[in-house]
Amino acid sequence: KQEVTQIPAALSVPEGENLVLNCSFTDSAIYNLQWFRQDPGKGLTSLLLIQSSQREQTSGRLNASLDKSSGRSTLYIAASQPGDSATYLCAVTLSSGSARQLTFGSGTQLTVLP
Amino acid sequence: SQTIHQWPATLVQPVGSPLSLECTVEGTSNPNLYWYRQAAGRGLQLLFYSIGIDQISSEVPQNLSASRPQDRQFILSSKKLLLSDSGFYLCAWSPKGQGWGNQPQHFGDGTRLSIL
Repeated sequence: KQEVTQIPAALSVPEGENLVLNCSFTDSAIYNLQWFRQDPGKGLTSLLLIQSSQREQTSGRLNASLDKSSGRSTLYIAASQPGDSATYLCAVTLSSGSARQLTFGSGTQLTVLP
Repeated sequence: SQTIHQWPATLVQPVGSPLSLECTVEGTSNPNLYWYRQAAGRGLQLLFYSIGIDQISSEVPQNLSASRPQDRQFILSSKKLLLSDSGFYLCAWSPKGQGWGNQPQHFGDGTRLSIL
């Protein structure tokens, strides 16, 4: 059974710092890996999707990398801002899932201090 | 463009009462549909998914059920709610067909369910 782990569970940084969030998964037979953002009491917003054949994806100040063989992904946030404060979730899609079900990690709660 | 609607946003129900949460998707056809639950301080747990009308798969045995009476409508139900059913319920959709691997799942705004 696929298990997804995110470290750290919570992170607090001063504004302007660069930071890295970590995600690991136990089954490397994935189709893609997705990073989401969740604001308190809200749904999830997709940030980046990396297909299994890709190594990284970039969107603005965000960069996500994928090392499928080692079962790891990182989300790099450059020049953090207070508006980046949220919970960040990673999720993997198993290759075998008929409906491309996602398995989620428990998230990293990020606080960026002004 | 595609949109997903979920309601109600908040619901307070007594133990033993029935439940019906509804989710609809607009701007696409034949999507995969999903129900997730997020308990306090925990990650998202997939409850049900559907690849088509009346085609429902359950991931976790419990007193909840799901139905898909129309292509873009997904309903989560219970006949008798338990205290443990409290949580944040999220509906999501994803496309099928060529290129689906490039497309993320899209989530609704969620329903906060409190059981008293």
